[in-house]
Amino acid sequence: DTGVSQDPRHKITKRGQNVTFRCDPISEHNRLYWYRQTLGQGPEFLTYFQNEAQLEKSRLLSDRFSAERPKGSFSTLEIQRTEQGDSAMYLCASSLRAGTSTSGNTEAFFGQGTRLTVV
Amino acid sequence: EDKVVQSPLSLVVHEGDTVTLNCSYEVTNFRSLLWYKQEKKAPTFLFMLTSSGIEKKSGRLSSILDKKELSSILNITATQTGDSAIYLCAVGLNAGGTSYGKLTFGQGTILTVHP
Repeated sequence: DTGVSQDPRHKITKRGQNVTFRCDPISEHNRLYWYRQTLGQGPEFLTYFQNEAQLEKSRLLSDRFSAERPKGSFSTLEIQRTEQGDSAMYLCASSLRAGTSTSGNTEAFFGQGTRLTVV
Repeated sequence: EDKVVQSPLSLVVHEGDTVTLNCSYEVTNFRSLLWYKQEKKAPTFLFMLTSSGIEKKSGRLSSILDKKELSSILNITATQTGDSAIYLCAVGLNAGGTSYGKLTFGQGTILTVHP
């Protein structure tokens, strides 16, 4: 499978615990994004990387959240001291930066998501 | 603040019906509008629109962008039960003359197709 891969698919954790999610993008994609989706809403942007550089973080991303993409390939999203309000689907997506695609296509492709439940 | 609004929020039809889903946006530095289909898992890409008035088609699905009206529609003809899903509209922005990857999503339209 050459799509975007996320691990784990489901995570149940107790309030106050730390959790870490992993995303493996499509191999030639230089951009990687994290989104959060709650029931009945569209995905909300959290942060994105171009190669290993984190170029933007949303105001939604409190200081309990941190994301890394150390070698410009896979990325991790860590949530410290989880709260019940963190329960959501965490989606990762990847794309090519415009100008790097011979086909001109820069659309983002999504992984299956990690569903987090904080109890 | 950038905003994307979809309507209707939900729609129930019978197989064979034709549906039209709407998306309107208020953003700075518009680059592209994308449609995704989301079943129980990840959103799957349908269309990316950058030019006004040019229809994109894929089978029974088609979409068109109207930059003057800041809107897009997604049409599905001869609907099937497999079309039941959440349809998401998203807008991508320009920044500094290059594509800016962040997408701003609408809340989605829940389509239910009954046999």
